[in-house]
Amino acid sequence: TQLLEQSPQFLSIQEGENLTVYCNSSSVFSSLQWYRQEPGEGPVLLVTVVTGGEVKKLKRLTFQFGDARKDSSLHITAAQPGDTGLYLCAGYSNYQLIWGAGTKLIIKP
Amino acid sequence: KAGVTQTPRYLIKTRGQQVTLSCSPISGHRSVSWYQQTPGQGLQFLFEYFSETQRNKGNFPGRFSGRQFSNSRSEMNVSTLELGDSALYLCASNRRGVSGNEQFFGPGTRLTVL
Repeated sequence: TQLLEQSPQFLSIQEGENLTVYCNSSSVFSSLQWYRQEPGEGPVLLVTVVTGGEVKKLKRLTFQFGDARKDSSLHITAAQPGDTGLYLCAGYSNYQLIWGAGTKLIIKP
Repeated sequence: KAGVTQTPRYLIKTRGQQVTLSCSPISGHRSVSWYQQTPGQGLQFLFEYFSETQRNKGNFPGRFSGRQFSNSRSEMNVSTLELGDSALYLCASNRRGVSGNEQFFGPGTRLTVL
């Protein structure tokens, strides 16, 4: 069974701090996606990473795909209350999308 | 361009009843996926439909079924509801993007089984 483990499960920090959340697996994925979900809404796609070692930036968010395409990280610089939400990673393998359980992030003003 | 719509947004049923949820994907998208989301299990894949055909299915009992119509709208049905079926049911409209498949989610239907 393929698993994507996200850590930490829960993170609460002050506005302005930096943070990194992780998505790890023992399996190789052809691509990996990060989503953010806010209460009462469905997940929204933030980024897709495809190439091992790839780094993508989205304003204050930096996404990295591991060289072996088994893991990924999301780094947020100078977190803001608007970054609050559930961050989910999902990896494609054998035409199936495998989901992590998510990191619940709270940014306190 | 309108997003993914799901109806109803909230639903309360009792054990043993059945329920039908509806999803309208983004115009032009022919593939729809359904997920069950619970705090303990996260997102669990139910099934995917493409051009009215079920293309993929997750590990759920036969009480969970779905279909897709010629206009790409999709419905899922849960029969003989159990307490454990209480969850947020999400529909995703799928398209093939430059970096792979992209999923656009609706707001979900919150089902509570009493």
